[in-house]
Amino acid sequence: DAKTTQPNSMESNEEEPVHLPCNHSTISGTDYIHWYRQLPSQGPEYVIHGLTSNVNNRMASLAIAEDRKSSTLILHRATLRDAAVYYCTSSGDMLTFGGGTRLMVKP
Amino acid sequence: NAGVTQTPKFQVLKTGQSMTLQCAQDMNHEYMSWYRQDPGMGLRLIHYSVGAGITDQGEVPNGYNVSRSTTEDFPLRLLSAAPSQTSVYFCASSYSAYPTLSTEAFFGQGTRLTVV
Repeated sequence: DAKTTQPNSMESNEEEPVHLPCNHSTISGTDYIHWYRQLPSQGPEYVIHGLTSNVNNRMASLAIAEDRKSSTLILHRATLRDAAVYYCTSSGDMLTFGGGTRLMVKP
Repeated sequence: NAGVTQTPKFQVLKTGQSMTLQCAQDMNHEYMSWYRQDPGMGLRLIHYSVGAGITDQGEVPNGYNVSRSTTEDFPLRLLSAAPSQTSVYFCASSYSAYPTLSTEAFFGQGTRLTVV
């Protein structure tokens, strides 16, 4: 499975957009890019995933680079409830996680 | 649907004891997996299964056994507990695992295990 690289932490102001980057330079052609987040004292929860095209859902948008070596999770208007650790992973037949990005949201 | 159910939620073991962490899902998912999360760290994959009767090792399998006799259940056995196995354990499941994980994974709420 491809390794992913994310910044350790990021800060955002409430109600502003947040762009969370992820590098996955060794991703294979059939691996999906998944994003999960983990709120304090909870299990991880699914955010979004995609293969090649950009994806949107009610929680976020996922922008995938044309060469698929990087992706960006976009939260359009951060709220205090979005403060969490965000994990990017590219999956083969198993799902593995790196250290993730801790997002802090300031009121 | 209950989703992914883990039992127990909390457990304290003495060094050398054995126990089984239970994980069940009612979504007919093929893929199931176990992770451990140490304080302030990310999740590390212990074992995973892509279907009944099929299991494989993840990143940190030593000291743990799994089996997958049914689609619904994926128990994790600690053979002889050690203080280094003190952690929070998460179980996850996903509908499809072939050829790659192309569907979202659902996680349980975790089992907090302390080995003294």
